[in-house]
Amino acid sequence: EAQVTQNPRYLITVTGKKLTVTCSQNMNHEYMSWYRQDPGLGLRQIYYSMNVEVTDKGDVPEGYKVSRKEKRNFPLILESPSPNQTSLYFCASSSQGAGHIQYFGAGTRLSVL
Amino acid sequence: SQQGEEDPQALSIQEGENATMNCSYKTSINNLQWYRQNSGRGLVHLILIRSNEREKHSGRLRVTLDTSKKSSSLLITASRAADTASYFCATDPMDSNYQLIWGAGTKLIIKP
Repeated sequence: EAQVTQNPRYLITVTGKKLTVTCSQNMNHEYMSWYRQDPGLGLRQIYYSMNVEVTDKGDVPEGYKVSRKEKRNFPLILESPSPNQTSLYFCASSSQGAGHIQYFGAGTRLSVL
Repeated sequence: SQQGEEDPQALSIQEGENATMNCSYKTSINNLQWYRQNSGRGLVHLILIRSNEREKHSGRLRVTLDTSKKSSSLLITASRAADTASYFCATDPMDSNYQLIWGAGTKLIIKP
């Protein structure tokens, strides 16, 4: 089954404690992206990757890191989480050949205390 | 980037009625897409319309695109309670590098 898998689904942590949210896709998509979704602010892109070893900043990259060492994986790293990073996070992947239709993971709800 | 604008922001209708949502955008596009999001879950792609198309159907969904006005509409006919969700438009700009431009979404509530 074609899917984007995010883990964990829910995470509660404390300020400053490094965390990683994993994302994996099994569709051989070139493009992967991370978004955060906050009430009233819609979807905002954090980082994206057009292929292995190619990453670029989205609209709200501050406080986040990503890596793309393999085509299927695109982890999101919060080196020192802060309360303003409490949000719902989504990973997505797409292929240029399919009109950039994006496939989303189920989401990770993060609370930073 | 958030360039798309959707209206209304929220829409509440009776089951069985039709629901119409609108999306406006700013740049020339390759295609425009509509997605649905059930509360707190991942977005699901509904339909894609290319810039050279004016109307597209998929089941109870009808999408129109007017590139001269840079606008699109999504019509859901004979609404059902299960259609309750947020609906987002996303454009694939001609000068993009894989980035979709997202609207802020329309929250649709279907009353039984």
